Order: sequence, then structure tokens, then C-alpha cells
Amino acid sequence: GQQVMQIPQYQHVQEGEDFTTYCNSSTTLSNIQWYKQRPGGHPVFLIQLVKSGEVKKQKRLTFQFGEAKKNSSLHITATQTTDVGTYFCAGGKAAGNKLTFGGGTRVLVKP
Amino acid sequence: GAVVSQHPSWVICKSGTSVKIECRSLDFQATTMFWYRQFPKQSLMLMATSNEGSKATYEQGVEKDKFLINHASLTLSTLTVTSAHPEDSSFYICSATILAGGRSEQFFGPGTRLTVL
Repeated sequence: GQQVMQIPQYQHVQEGEDFTTYCNSSTTLSNIQWYKQRPGGHPVFLIQLVKSGEVKKQKRLTFQFGEAKKNSSLHITATQTTDVGTYFCAGGKAAGNKLTFGGGTRVLVKP
Repeated sequence: GAVVSQHPSWVICKSGTSVKIECRSLDFQATTMFWYRQFPKQSLMLMATSNEGSKATYEQGVEKDKFLINHASLTLSTLTVTSAHPEDSSFYICSATILAGGRSEQFFGPGTRLTVL
């Protein structure tokens, strides 16, 4: 079955530094979505990418969908303490279809 | 954004009892609802896909007789954990999907933390 993998599993970042988390699917995706889950909370939708090579920015967050639509990345610049949480990517085979979640990248920020 | 509620937010029950969890889309009609389970420090694992008026589709390894799903309307889905055991203790999260213009977005409920003693 479809597998979605994320690396790194943990990311310790100094406040102010940049980091990137990567997402790789075993199969070609229709779309990829990114979610953020704060400790004790539920996943909150960040963005959806559907086009090959698509790049989207949300303030300090930059999301990219690979040309082959099998991988994606999330880059955060100038990390802040509010960025703490687990970032999940989730791959979909078709619009409205079920999502397969990656294992998540747990981000800890050192002030 | 759209709001999805879950009830209860947490529940503690004795082993062998059944627990019902409700998932409601408050301000929209959901095309589909999904049920996930999340163990501590792990990712979300899809349990089943629920469509109004039809039987739920369960993922491999999920016992449909143990995790009963009823999708009564476009705004309500329920998950009943029957004869719960300690290993069923987990964080259960539902999501509701809006499909528009070829794009879909899942809105997650706040989750229900189940502890089985």
C-alpha cells in the first residue's frame, strides 16, 4: 500500500534559524497536504499542493511539491517559539480521497 | 475555516464497556468523514472512511465489528468502540471533508482521548 515517510523525525532548532522537513511518497500523489499539530492539540490544516513543481508561501513557511508529485518539503525561516509542534504531510491519491499521513517531524525550538 | 466538533473530548471507561464518540460538522455538510487513531508521539492512522447513507470502508487491520461507524447525516458520524480494552486507549480524531473545485480539505475535530481501565 501507499507509504508516506517524513524526515527528520525530530528537529531541534535554535530560535532564528531555518530548517526544512521532507516528505516522500512511495507512489505518485494527486495532492499533498501539510498539517501542524501543537502538543495536546489536533492537526490544523496548513496548505494543499496539487500541481507538479508547485511552490507556495505562507509568511515564513515555504511549501514545495516535487516535479514527480512524489515528494514535498516544508521550509521554515527564522524559526520562532510559536513554530513548536509536529508537522505532518499527508498524501492523497485523488481529491476528496483518504489521506495517508507521514510520521511527522517534531519540532523543538531552543530560545 | 469550517468547524468540526467531537464529543466527548475525553472519556474513561472500564474494560468491556462500549464507548460512543460523535463527530459533527457544525457549519457545513461534509462529503465524507474520516476516523483516525493516534497513539502517543505517533502519527495519525486512518481507521475508516465514512460516507452518509452507506457502509463505512475500513482500513486493513481495523475490525469493523469492534469499531462501529454510523453516518446518520451529512453532519454527523459516530464511532462506537465496542467491548473496549486497555489497548484501545488512544486519541481518536475525526475529520470532515469539503470537496470543491477539484480540491479537498480535511477539517479535524479536537479529538477524543479514550482511556480504558
